Amino acid sequence: EVQLVESGGGLVQPGGSLRLSCAASGFTFSSYWMSWVRQAPGKGLEWVANIKQDGSEKYYVDSVKGRFTISRDNAKNSLYLQMNSLRAEDTAVYYCARVGGSSHFDYWGQGTLVTVSS
Amino acid sequence: SYVLTQPPSVSVAPGQTARITCGGNNIGSKSVHWYQQKPGQAPVLVVYDDSDRPSGIPERFSGSNSGNTATLTISRVEAGDEADYYCQVWDSSSDYVFGTGTKVTVL
Repeated sequence: EVQLVESGGGLVQPGGSLRLSCAASGFTFSSYWMSWVRQAPGKGLEWVANIKQDGSEKYYVDSVKGRFTISRDNAKNSLYLQMNSLRAEDTAVYYCARVGGSSHFDYWGQGTLVTVSS
Repeated sequence: SYVLTQPPSVSVAPGQTARITCGGNNIGSKSVHWYQQKPGQAPVLVVYDDSDRPSGIPERFSGSNSGNTATLTISRVEAGDEADYYCQVWDSSSDYVFGTGTKVTVL
């Protein structure tokens, strides 16, 4: 059974940093692109970043470029999102998601809430 | 940037058919995927590649895509289908794009 479990969310002040983690199990982690998708309170879904199987390619939505870094450790079956210079508009539930064959998200974690506020 | 437009809400009586549209420029040339999200839960993929269903998704969920509109159809609607639904595509200039979301209410 595919499982994705996020952790690391919490309350942080504007300008602060946070590192999210996603523990994957039930599939060959190193064979899949992985992504982070977020959802602001009461709003829709927004793709944030994704990373190739070997970590050699990374892509970001414009609003987080230069502030967020996606990474992975295939030996630990783990995905990460380092978030720096956080802003109020980064407040959201952050989901870890596996990327399926035709650029869809076939499995999602339960999400972790990030709140940026003073 | 590529934009996907969905109606904010759709209401349907139990046993009837709900149709949720997703509009985008020449969306028929792209693969469209659909997600169901119930309150407080993570999204679940219900249709991918326009009309394919993941294992475990009922046949009542179907999709189509042509021209500038993709459609998710839910047949024989049940109370448990009440949720938010999002369409999604990949676009070379915008990467992964989600629709604005549609709240389905079962009357």
